[in-house]
Amino acid sequence: EAQVTQNPRYLITVTGKKLTVTCSQNMNHEYMSWYRQDPGLGLRQIYYSMNVEVTDKGDVPEGYKVSRKEKRNFPLILESPSPNQTSLYFCASSFSGNEKLFFGSGTQLSVL
Amino acid sequence: AQSVTQPDIHITVSEGASLELRCNYSYGATPYLFWYVQSPGQGLQLLLKYFSGDTLVQGIKGFEAEFKRSQSSFNLRKPSVHWSDAAEYFCAVGYQGAQKLVFGQGTRLTINP
Repeated sequence: EAQVTQNPRYLITVTGKKLTVTCSQNMNHEYMSWYRQDPGLGLRQIYYSMNVEVTDKGDVPEGYKVSRKEKRNFPLILESPSPNQTSLYFCASSFSGNEKLFFGSGTQLSVL
Repeated sequence: AQSVTQPDIHITVSEGASLELRCNYSYGATPYLFWYVQSPGQGLQLLLKYFSGDTLVQGIKGFEAEFKRSQSSFNLRKPSVHWSDAAEYFCAVGYQGAQKLVFGQGTRLTINP
C-alpha cells in the first residue's frame, strides 16, 4: 500500500531535549516536505527536499533541521525544542513538487 | 510575499445545499493552485489542482474550482453537499515550480442534517 509513515504519532518532551520525527515513503517519490499545523494559521512549510542531499528552507525553518540521505526517508530534527514548537507536524511526498502530495497521519508534539 | 486568504473560518450548510468556499491569493506570476481536504485526525487529501489550461477544474468527490486571474481567486464549489463532506478545507498556492507551498488558514465546513 502506498503510504507516508510518520513516527511517533504523539510525543511529549521537555525544553531542550533533542528529538527526531521520522518520515518514510514507499512510493519512490523525489519530493518530500515537512509542515506544521497550528490553529488559525493553516499549514506552514518548514523544509522541503527535491532529491537525495537536496534540501531547502520553507517559510518557518528556524529551530528545525532535516536531512535526506536516502530517497525514502526525510527526518525532522529539533535539536533544542522550545514550547513554541508545540504543534501538529505533517510529512508529505510527491513525484515532483507540483504533483499531488501524499500526507502522513501527523505527529502531535508537545514541548513542556 | 506570497499569501493565501480563506475569508471564511467556519461555514455551515444544510445537506443537499450548494457550497462555495472562497480562496484569494497573492502571487505575481501564474500560480499552481490546490485544494486539500482534512478529515478529523487525518492528513490532507488532494481534491483538485490547477496549473494551466481550462480555468474550471474538476476534482474528486464531486468538487470543482474555478481560477479567475482578474480576481486572484480559486473558489471551490459543490452543487450538493453530503454529510461526509464535513471537514476542514485548505487552499494552497505553489511557487518555484510548486516546490514551495503556502496554505490558507482553512475553512471548517459543518453540515446540518
